[in-house]
Amino acid sequence: GIQVEQSPPDLILQEGANSTLRCNFSDSVNNLQWFHQNPWGQLINLFYIPSGTKQNGRLSATTVATERYSLLYISSSQTTDSGVYFCAVVPTTLMTTDSWGKFQFGAGTQVVVTP
Amino acid sequence: DTGVSQDPRHKITKRGQNVTFRCDPISEHNRLYWYRQTLGQGPEFLTYFQNEAQLEKSRLLSDRFSAERPKGSFSTLEIQRTEQGDSAMYLCASSSTGLTFSSYNEQFFGPGTRLTVL
Repeated sequence: GIQVEQSPPDLILQEGANSTLRCNFSDSVNNLQWFHQNPWGQLINLFYIPSGTKQNGRLSATTVATERYSLLYISSSQTTDSGVYFCAVVPTTLMTTDSWGKFQFGAGTQVVVTP
Repeated sequence: DTGVSQDPRHKITKRGQNVTFRCDPISEHNRLYWYRQTLGQGPEFLTYFQNEAQLEKSRLLSDRFSAERPKGSFSTLEIQRTEQGDSAMYLCASSSTGLTFSSYNEQFFGPGTRLTVL
């Protein structure tokens, strides 16, 4: 099956710093989402971004589908940005759309933002 | 629209007991997914429904696990004869195969049910 690798596994930032998280995937995808998991376990949608670039406030993301990677940028980090960031993909298949659905998640990047 | 909800949020049970979890998806979403997440790992896919039809099941879903979505709305996940290895966070997500391709199958997650098997 498709492999999803996230880097770095851990990141410690001082408040106000910028950072880049990376997600590499081993096969073509038709869905890619970035999530932030808060300390209570809730997965919060950040971006639906199978290709292209999007921005939402201090966060932005870019997916280069042809090169099989996605980047999540955090600018001017705040302590509330702490948590685990997951990349999740749905691989493209030659089967019917009924097979489009299940996510393959990466192992996540644990981000700690210190005051 | 209040998002995806799950009940209970926490469940502690003894080994060998049966447990059942409920998921209520976003009301207009026709797809519903179950995932399992253990400590330090990303969520792993268990099964998913389109309307009331269960379209795919992971090999992780042993015969002790069963999921239903009887009327295409809420879903239940039952684990029979629980084992300590079943301790995990069980996450439910929903999505819509709507008309707007840009949001096709964007998945939204509930808060999860944390299961502890003693």
